Amino acid sequence: GEDVEQSLFLSVREGDSSVINCTYTDSSSTYLYWYKQEPGAGLQLLTYIFSNMDMKQDQRLTVLLNKKDKHLSLRIADTQTGDSAIYFCAEVNTGTASKLTFGTGTRLQVTL
Amino acid sequence: DAMVIQNPRYQVTQFGKPVTLSCSQTLNHNVMYWYQQKSSQAPKLLFHYYDKDFNNEADTPDNFQSRRPNTSFCFLDIRSPGLGDAAMYLCATSRAGAVDTQYFGPGTRLTVL
Repeated sequence: GEDVEQSLFLSVREGDSSVINCTYTDSSSTYLYWYKQEPGAGLQLLTYIFSNMDMKQDQRLTVLLNKKDKHLSLRIADTQTGDSAIYFCAEVNTGTASKLTFGTGTRLQVTL
Repeated sequence: DAMVIQNPRYQVTQFGKPVTLSCSQTLNHNVMYWYQQKSSQAPKLLFHYYDKDFNNEADTPDNFQSRRPNTSFCFLDIRSPGLGDAAMYLCATSRAGAVDTQYFGPGTRLTVL
């Protein structure tokens, strides 16, 4: 079955770049997503990348996809205290009725 | 703004007392999902509706039911909540198609006393 893994915790200083990594096993994934969850809140869609792309940039966010290694990363430039949250990567195979398989989540802590 | 709305945001119920959580959407999406998220865990899909078609996950307990009376609304019914059902319940919607992105509501935190 599908498996998506992330490191549990990342701490960065305000103003530095953050890189959150994710590995997945389903080679037939069609889209890969990054969601942000602040304490007590729902999941906010940050960005997504189609599996035939290598990179996608959206303002401070850069997503890199290495399909050969099944590795996805989210880079946040100029990290701010408001970026402190849990970040989930998720993959979907549209052949399975668009069911998201979530990673375990990475808690990003931004320090001053 | 088009959005996914969940009510209430916080729900307290007693052990064994039925409870209903509500989700509505103004996105006109044809797919609606219910997830359960326990502390420090990823969301776990309970079931989803594709239009009126109900799709239950194999490991979703019978204690959890759902209703979708129309496109905009979807309800999660927990018939006899146990202490282990205390969690955040997330509703999501998507428009089935080439990019089937799911949009989430703010969640309802359920406490079982």
